[in-house]
Amino acid sequence: DAGITQSPRHKVTETGTPVTLRCHQTENHRYMYWYRQDPGHGLRLIHYSYGVKDTDKGEVSDGYSVSRSKTEDFLLTLESATSSQTSVYFCAISESTAQTPGGGETQYFGPGTRLLVL
Amino acid sequence: AQSVTQLGSHVSVSEGALVLLRCNYSSSVPPYLFWYVQYPNQGLQLLLKYTTGATLVKGINGFEAEFKKSETSFHLTKPSAHMSDAAEYFCAVSYTNAGKSTFGDGTTLTVKP
Repeated sequence: DAGITQSPRHKVTETGTPVTLRCHQTENHRYMYWYRQDPGHGLRLIHYSYGVKDTDKGEVSDGYSVSRSKTEDFLLTLESATSSQTSVYFCAISESTAQTPGGGETQYFGPGTRLLVL
Repeated sequence: AQSVTQLGSHVSVSEGALVLLRCNYSSSVPPYLFWYVQYPNQGLQLLLKYTTGATLVKGINGFEAEFKKSETSFHLTKPSAHMSDAAEYFCAVSYTNAGKSTFGDGTTLTVKP
């Protein structure tokens, strides 16, 4: 199994409070991603990173920010949590290989964080 | 923009029956295609993927999928369902470096005894 951990695994918070979720990898993979999973919507990309301090927005980035100061850590911050951000959040990692130089990299997922915003 | 459509949010089969989960994608360039499986309270894990070469791809747990460019499809099949196959299945497409993928909405597979 890929070495990916997420913390916390469960969190309950109140509307308007800041929340930070952490993703930690031991694989030294270049690419890291944050997704949210909601019923009927599959997985939607929030932000991703293609290297230390290199990040970009995904399709549902409003209300979220990220930081990556080290290869192994990718932080997702909800600056002021809202009830619409209640979801399950997944971190994933991937790496380019000689076999997939133009894409096609497999993503490896963490166990997820269940966030409830009251 | 790339997109993925999974036909049927819920599929129910009897144990031992054929499993067929449908996936269609939109593309103007050759895609990379994936099927992932998610068991309850877990993250996703790769079942199989198509990058180049043989269009029939075999994956873990007896699953396979065939890339049909003319139909823009990548349907997932398994000849004989097992109770342990009950899970949610996601089709995904990627076109670019960094493995940025677009996921379908998922299909929940139920296996009846």
